[in-house]
Amino acid sequence: DAGVIQSPRHEVTEMGQEVTLRCKPISGHDYLFWYRQTMMRGLELLIYFNNNVPIDDSGMPEDRFSAKMPNASFSTLKIQPSEPRDSAVYFCASTGVREQFFGPGTRLTVL
Amino acid sequence: SQKIEQNSEALNIQEGKTATLTCNYTNYSPAYLQWYRQDPGRGPVFLLLIRENEKEKRKERLKVTFDTTLKQSLFHITASQPADSATYLCALDMKDSSYKLIFGSGTRLLVRP
Repeated sequence: DAGVIQSPRHEVTEMGQEVTLRCKPISGHDYLFWYRQTMMRGLELLIYFNNNVPIDDSGMPEDRFSAKMPNASFSTLKIQPSEPRDSAVYFCASTGVREQFFGPGTRLTVL
Repeated sequence: SQKIEQNSEALNIQEGKTATLTCNYTNYSPAYLQWYRQDPGRGPVFLLLIRENEKEKRKERLKVTFDTTLKQSLFHITASQPADSATYLCALDMKDSSYKLIFGSGTRLLVRP
């Protein structure tokens, strides 16, 4: 298996633009997690899915953030409109048991 | 309030020595505790999981202890090598069935040759 795949790896955008981050989890994993990592706040859970259904989105910072999982092999995290304070590394992770497998992350810079 | 604390300062040790990293938590009751390694520019990688009823877990040069009374986990790397230099994150895995993890801020380990 190729592991968790994320795209793009880097994204630079201007304030106010829409940003879409993509994730392909490991095949067979029932859970998918979206995290954000910054120096100030560390690794924060934004939202997670079980069998494609959103279970807990309490970590999503604002209505500007939304996430979907239309099928077992694909998820998106969208920010609209983006703001400079959204600059961070966004990770997707999946699990089938307990340990989580992380993707390489998307480094987002909002100018 | 709920907190997870790891040493914010980097741990700098000589090659061959044992590195000991600490994870303390308050107002949580995790069923499991996990440790991850993160290298710069990469996602965290799972290392070890220890259950609340286990005192100690080992894997090669790694050892984890879990004291639910002290609310503390210790992570040891014996015979440390420069390749062990990385940031190490602890994560609380709660009693519910959500598989949701709450991560500490991590401790950076530097192993000098």
